[in-house]
Amino acid sequence: DTAVSQTPKYLVTQMGNDKSIKCEQNLGHDTMYWYKQDSKKFLKIMFSYNNKELIINETVPNRFSPKSPDKAHLNLHINSLELGDSAVYFCASSQAPASYEQYFGPGTRLTVT
Amino acid sequence: TQLLEQSPQFLSIQEGENLTVYCNSSSVFSSLQWYRQEPGEGPVLLVTVVTGGEVKKLKRLTFQFGDARKDSSLHITAAQPGDTGLYLCAGASGYALNFGKGTSLLVTP
Repeated sequence: DTAVSQTPKYLVTQMGNDKSIKCEQNLGHDTMYWYKQDSKKFLKIMFSYNNKELIINETVPNRFSPKSPDKAHLNLHINSLELGDSAVYFCASSQAPASYEQYFGPGTRLTVT
Repeated sequence: TQLLEQSPQFLSIQEGENLTVYCNSSSVFSSLQWYRQEPGEGPVLLVTVVTGGEVKKLKRLTFQFGDARKDSSLHITAAQPGDTGLYLCAGASGYALNFGKGTSLLVTP
């Protein structure tokens, strides 16, 4: 039974399109995250929600909008996709923010052409 | 964002060799975590160190947190091909985990 799941696993789309990535965790955690891993494997935090409240909003373009309908779900919507958005996006969850172990999903590989 | 520098960036060794990976920062962290990531998967936590000077062992892996809680090291004894992967250190500060750029380890038989 997958702890943190993401859909889709792969996403190939053209510049200018709008796309969404969904994430669900069944661990009962209060905190969820979105990370972006670039081609050099650097993992950078984008957003974090704790009990559906946004607590981390790093410097990312406002084309990226997270949404947490409940504690178990955190979705990421991206408008007007650009070539530079190509990366692997990871969802993660933890019992509480930061110091606690983070459980990562399998990642969504986004390719913008 | 507080920077964590990892070295070396790449490491290719033969089975049975020992290795050490370093994670350094100018910032103090309340805790530091080490993750391993295999191709096509998300990172998986190996260990969390909290106290300055703390040493933790996980089978052939030994983790140390610096006395000042600014740096950490991961030592692998008698590396095996199954140790191959990307090793990431991450420092906790406030609500965020700041990740290093990783050390990509390849262990060949």
